[in-house]
Amino acid sequence: GAVVSQHPSWVICKSGTSVKIECRSLDFQATTMFWYRQFPKQSLMLMATSNEGSKATYEQGVEKDKFLINHASLTLSTLTVTSAHPEDSSFYICSAPRTSGRSLVTDTQYFGPGTRLTVL
Amino acid sequence: QKEVEQNSGPLSVPEGAIASLNCTYSDRGSQSFFWYRQYSGKSPELIMFIYSNGDKEDGRFTAQLNKASQYVSLLIRDSQPSDSATYLCAVHGQNFVFGPGTRLSVLP
Repeated sequence: GAVVSQHPSWVICKSGTSVKIECRSLDFQATTMFWYRQFPKQSLMLMATSNEGSKATYEQGVEKDKFLINHASLTLSTLTVTSAHPEDSSFYICSAPRTSGRSLVTDTQYFGPGTRLTVL
Repeated sequence: QKEVEQNSGPLSVPEGAIASLNCTYSDRGSQSFFWYRQYSGKSPELIMFIYSNGDKEDGRFTAQLNKASQYVSLLIRDSQPSDSATYLCAVHGQNFVFGPGTRLSVLP
């Protein structure tokens, strides 16, 4: 079954509005979660690393004031796209590492089902 | 040099054939290696992972790892049209890094 959930799965909004996307780890705690963006027929692009209890780490070229990340608890990270514009329309995917408890080598990244954002 | 490299494809194989997907990585300290499958419009799903040199088999899938050559591959036996997707290689070293993916097309 799914180990990472996202909500909403699909959202349409008007230009200039803000949209919040939630990512939850199910049945396990994740001190770190990752946010990706994927445009049609392109590969995953890591946007930022969400860290529970501290600031997110953003990849080069990603505006931290536009893509606000809050890792509110060990099972929830949120991505807020502020003042969205049509060029922000994309498929947003989160992932969380689930450890076996034996060692870091056995961390496995599980992806959420993704959120398709369309900005009109 | 990109950290994780894959041929973008498309790789086309006939139904029933073996599909071979390759991935190279640059971080010699990488310890674990993953293959994900992504269907169009969906998020990636984990197929299998491998930590040790050699082969690891799971059903029709076999992952092969050669750390000396910094190379990991995925073989899909008896390929089916439903295997048509983009296959992402991911490497866990200092960071968790994904390759750009290889698009596989299995022709009926």
